[in-house]
Amino acid sequence: GENVEQHPSTLSVQEGDSAVIKCTYSDSASNYFPWYKQELGKRPQLIIDIRSNVGEKKDQRIAVTLNKTAKHFSLHITETQPEDSAVYFCAASPSASKIIFGSGTRLSIRP
Amino acid sequence: SAVISQKPSRDICQRGTSLTIQCQVDSQVTMMFWYRQQPGQSLTLIATANQGSEATYESGFVIDKFPISRPNLTFSTLTVSNMSPEDSSIYLCSTSEGENIQYFGAGTRLSVL
Repeated sequence: GENVEQHPSTLSVQEGDSAVIKCTYSDSASNYFPWYKQELGKRPQLIIDIRSNVGEKKDQRIAVTLNKTAKHFSLHITETQPEDSAVYFCAASPSASKIIFGSGTRLSIRP
Repeated sequence: SAVISQKPSRDICQRGTSLTIQCQVDSQVTMMFWYRQQPGQSLTLIATANQGSEATYESGFVIDKFPISRPNLTFSTLTVSNMSPEDSSIYLCSTSEGENIQYFGAGTRLSVL
């Protein structure tokens, strides 16, 4: 089955700097890769996603890149702000009925 | 996106008892999912619930422990049976909209004493 690995597990960046979170997946059938943000005590919120027919997608300060050959994808957050502090999960979907999550990255933004 | 209501939001239960968690969606959805999130951990899929058929359970989860109902296209329940302290977790339901996209309920924080 699909296995998603996520790094780093914790990340601390200075406010205004960029943050990068990386994930790898194992199942070449996966064709959908969402990213979720989970603030303390809250539900996971979908922040951006990418499908396998696209190499990069951007939404304001957030971008995601996908390398299908290497089976890895990354989340890039630029000009980080205090409200970006949260746990971020990558995920891969090998079928319409399943999403497999990475282990999560706890992002802290230092003022 | 669909509005997903989950209840209870939290509960404290005694060992050996059962708890039923409800998930209500404000629109008809084909697939609903139940996840477990242990403290400080990622989300693990328990099962997929389709209306009119038996739920499909992931490896490590069985129907006797986590019975699921899906009586219609807007509602599902997950029961955590014969609870032990190891069942203390957050349980989340989600729905699938469009192709693959999932949105989550607010979760049920369960503590078993």
